[in-house]
Amino acid sequence: SSELTQDPAVSVALGQTVRITCQGDSLISYYASWSQQKPGQAPMLVIYGRNNRPSGVPDRFSASSSGNTASLTITGAQAEDEADYYCHSRDRNDYWVFGAGTKLTVL
Amino acid sequence: QVQLVQSGAEVKKPGASVKVSCKTSGYTFTDYFVHWVRQAPGQGFEWMGKINPSGGSTTYAQKFQGRVTMTRDTSTSTVYLEESSLRSEDTAVYYCAREFSAYGLETFDIWGQGTMVTVSS
Repeated sequence: SSELTQDPAVSVALGQTVRITCQGDSLISYYASWSQQKPGQAPMLVIYGRNNRPSGVPDRFSASSSGNTASLTITGAQAEDEADYYCHSRDRNDYWVFGAGTKLTVL
Repeated sequence: QVQLVQSGAEVKKPGASVKVSCKTSGYTFTDYFVHWVRQAPGQGFEWMGKINPSGGSTTYAQKFQGRVTMTRDTSTSTVYLEESSLRSEDTAVYYCAREFSAYGLETFDIWGQGTMVTVSS
C-alpha cells in the first residue's frame, strides 16, 4: 500500500505561523485529512477535504495541497495547539494510509 | 450527539484471541462505514480495515487478512473487532472510527476513546 511522509517534529513560537506537510502518492488522487492527538487522548479531526473544518475547530487551522503534497497551516499558534498531527487519506486500493505524525512544539 | 464508545482494556496471553466492541449512537448506524485503526505505544497509526454496517461487508488490510474479523450487530448499533493468534507486537490501543463520506470527500470524523490491548505472557 502507499505511504504518507511527515517531518517528525516542528516547533513554532507562540502566536506565529507554522506549516506541517505530508507527502504521498495517494494525495494526487485523494484529499488528506488532518487529525490532532494530545497525550493519552483519542485523535480529533481538525481538517478534511480541500479546506474544511469540523464544527468547533478554530479558524486558525487551514489546509492546502499541491500535487502529492498536503499542508496543514496554523496561523497564530496557541499553547493548546501543542500536539501530534497525523495526515491520512484513502488510496486507490480502497485502503487507508496514515503519516507517521509530526510532533508540534509551541515555544 | 454522535458517539463511539469502546469496551474496556484487555490483557491477553500470546496465542489467544481478543474481541473489542464499539457501540455507536447519535446517528443512523447503517449509513456510515466504521474503520478499525491501532496505535502501538509511542508509535503512529495503522489501518486494519473497515466494515459496512448496512450489509456487513468488510475490507481488511493485507497484513491482517486471516487474523482479523470485523462484524456488526444492527440491533445494538455495535461493531466488533476480533483478532486471533495474538503476539506481543499486537500490544496497542485499538480505535474505531466513523467514516464520513460526502461530496467526494472521505475522512474519519468521529473516533472512539480507544481500547488498550496488552499481549503478555
